Amino acid sequence: EAGVVQSPRYKIIEKKQPVAFWCNPISGHNTLYWYRQNLGQGPELLIRYENEEAVDDSQLPKDRFSAERLKGVDSTLKIQPAELGDSAVYLCASSSRGLGTGELFFGEGSRLTVL
Amino acid sequence: AQSVTQLGSHVSVSEGALVLLRCNYSSSVPPYLFWYVQYPNQGLQLLLKYTSAATLVKGINGFEAEFKKSETSFHLTKPSAHMSDAAEYFCAVLDTGNQFYFGTGTSLTVIP
Repeated sequence: EAGVVQSPRYKIIEKKQPVAFWCNPISGHNTLYWYRQNLGQGPELLIRYENEEAVDDSQLPKDRFSAERLKGVDSTLKIQPAELGDSAVYLCASSSRGLGTGELFFGEGSRLTVL
Repeated sequence: AQSVTQLGSHVSVSEGALVLLRCNYSSSVPPYLFWYVQYPNQGLQLLLKYTSAATLVKGINGFEAEFKKSETSFHLTKPSAHMSDAAEYFCAVLDTGNQFYFGTGTSLTVIP
């Protein structure tokens, strides 16, 4: 079974430029999460989707960040314009509420460097 | 809201020695508890989970953790450290609202 797939793995941009990250969750997982992980820290939730509905986006900086999950499968996280402080690893994770205990399955992450 | 505390941001052990990584959570109701491991430039991988069954949970790579309700702890142990265990370890709690809370992580160094 394929795991959570993210792209790109690495992205280097100049400040004020836009950037987008894509995530394909594990098939059948209805819950999708975007986390931001700064160097030496734990993941911090940006947004959580249940199917196509964003049920928790309280930590998403909505002035520059946006996300969508069309059709309740793939998701895209966008930053426009990027700032120096956005440099981090952006992790996507998925889980299934109907099976098991809902543990998270993570992708390998997208490392963003803003110059 | 929940909080997860990992004591010791960096832990060093000799190869073959006992590994002990500490995790305490804040909750009056036993939640679901997890330990994840992260190798450099990779995502987080599940090591083990507590789901209110046995209090001693065995995971992959010889790791285990014991849930102690009275101490609100879920410490991770491994009897004998291996060089390949060097990584970042995260304790996490899943509350009844399907919200995950992560600790700040513990970086494990294994000295040959």
